[in-house]
Amino acid sequence: QSVLTQPPSASGAPGQRVTISCSGSSSNIGGNFVSWYQEVPGTAPTLLIYRNNQRPSGVPDRFSGSKSGTSASLAISGLRSEDEADFYCAAWDDSLSGWVFGGGTKLTVL
Amino acid sequence: QLQLVESGGGVVQPGRSLRLSCAASGFTFSSYAIHWVRQPPGKGLEWVTIISYDGTYKHYADSVKGRFTISRDNSKNTLYLQMSSLRPEDTAMYYCARPTSGWYKDAFDIWGQGTMVTVSS
Repeated sequence: QSVLTQPPSASGAPGQRVTISCSGSSSNIGGNFVSWYQEVPGTAPTLLIYRNNQRPSGVPDRFSGSKSGTSASLAISGLRSEDEADFYCAAWDDSLSGWVFGGGTKLTVL
Repeated sequence: QLQLVESGGGVVQPGRSLRLSCAASGFTFSSYAIHWVRQPPGKGLEWVTIISYDGTYKHYADSVKGRFTISRDNSKNTLYLQMSSLRPEDTAMYYCARPTSGWYKDAFDIWGQGTMVTVSS
């Protein structure tokens, strides 16, 4: 069971907006930055969002992140078929002195 | 080109040892902490261990503490993971990953392609 909680699945039609939630505690999300990763099966994860809401260069502005208290969310607007992937949230955990991940959310573009 | 390349994976019997390597290029390796993250087949990501830029700080997930040892050779731009007393539950794709700023609490912006470790008799 993962320390961070994500819904196992999410879906939306092309062009729609989807939000994926990530719930944690004061020792991880509540006190540290949240990052989000996209993983296409068979390939390594790639960084989508860092420091809660920052996008690395090359990541489209259709992807946005936010954090409030001990929860965070990833929003994807203007859904495209190529967005189909697994998405993971992550944060440093001060109690564990290590990184913790969510269980992952499989996004399906209908 | 910023790059991390893992090697050393394979099939190993329970209780045996294996050493993974991660070769870095395109950035100043000696300025960055580096992590190992693993992913069992069909499952999610699990953080394994971290080593500071100079090798003086190391920390491990409870699941591998006492069995795995992380090290680095900055003269060779290479990270290592010595795995001993391997268990079937250690079966996973192992990735090395670099934090964006070099700070251990920062997100992982560079990932290797992964090396597969299978622990089976």
